[in-house]
Amino acid sequence: GAGVSQSPSNKVTEKGKDVELRCDPISGHTALYWYRQSLGQGLEFLIYFQGNSAPDKSGLPSDRFSAERTGGSVSTLTIQRTQQEDSAVYLCASSYTPGQGVYEQYFGPGTRLTVT
Amino acid sequence: GDSVTQMEGPVTLSEEACLTINCTYTATGYPSLFWYVQYPGEGLQLLLKATKADDKGSNKGFEATYRKETTSFHLEKGSVQVSDSAVYFCALSDLYNFNKFYFGSGTKLNVKP
Repeated sequence: GAGVSQSPSNKVTEKGKDVELRCDPISGHTALYWYRQSLGQGLEFLIYFQGNSAPDKSGLPSDRFSAERTGGSVSTLTIQRTQQEDSAVYLCASSYTPGQGVYEQYFGPGTRLTVT
Repeated sequence: GDSVTQMEGPVTLSEEACLTINCTYTATGYPSLFWYVQYPGEGLQLLLKATKADDKGSNKGFEATYRKETTSFHLEKGSVQVSDSAVYFCALSDLYNFNKFYFGSGTKLNVKP
């Protein structure tokens, strides 16, 4: 079946502009995660949606970052007034968590954001 | 809070050498442990997992054993290939923390022919 998809695959924007990154999780997956991966670095957790619960926003680096998940499916990560240090690959992952148990994450291909 | 610590890279090995990438964790609940791999130019994909103490996960010749007494989940392979060159991430998912995932910083493996 279809995996996690993200769009756009590449985004180049000017400093100070706003950008929106989209994630389409695997159908039926209740959990959705956003991460940031800077060049040569590990995964930086940004935000986590689990079903209808309030999202865990503890990883968002500043108030310029926000995310929403509509209808428990598609998610949009918004970065306002972009800065050069926002340049990175933004990864989305989803998992199916119907109850107690262990559920792996499935990752999308990422959106490479370049702020000039 | 929960966290994962893995050895820093890069790790450079010759083909057919033995590999060990260390990973230790801290968790308040009952974590499941994972190794993810990111090949050059590709997305992250699950390599193997273990859900309880003493479980051994294995895939593609890689193995890792969930050691609760040492809070470790080291990745091992007896004979690496050039095609194993990638970045490897150790991760945990804590059932009692709503399955939130915690990733290590990643270890880059370079295998030379």
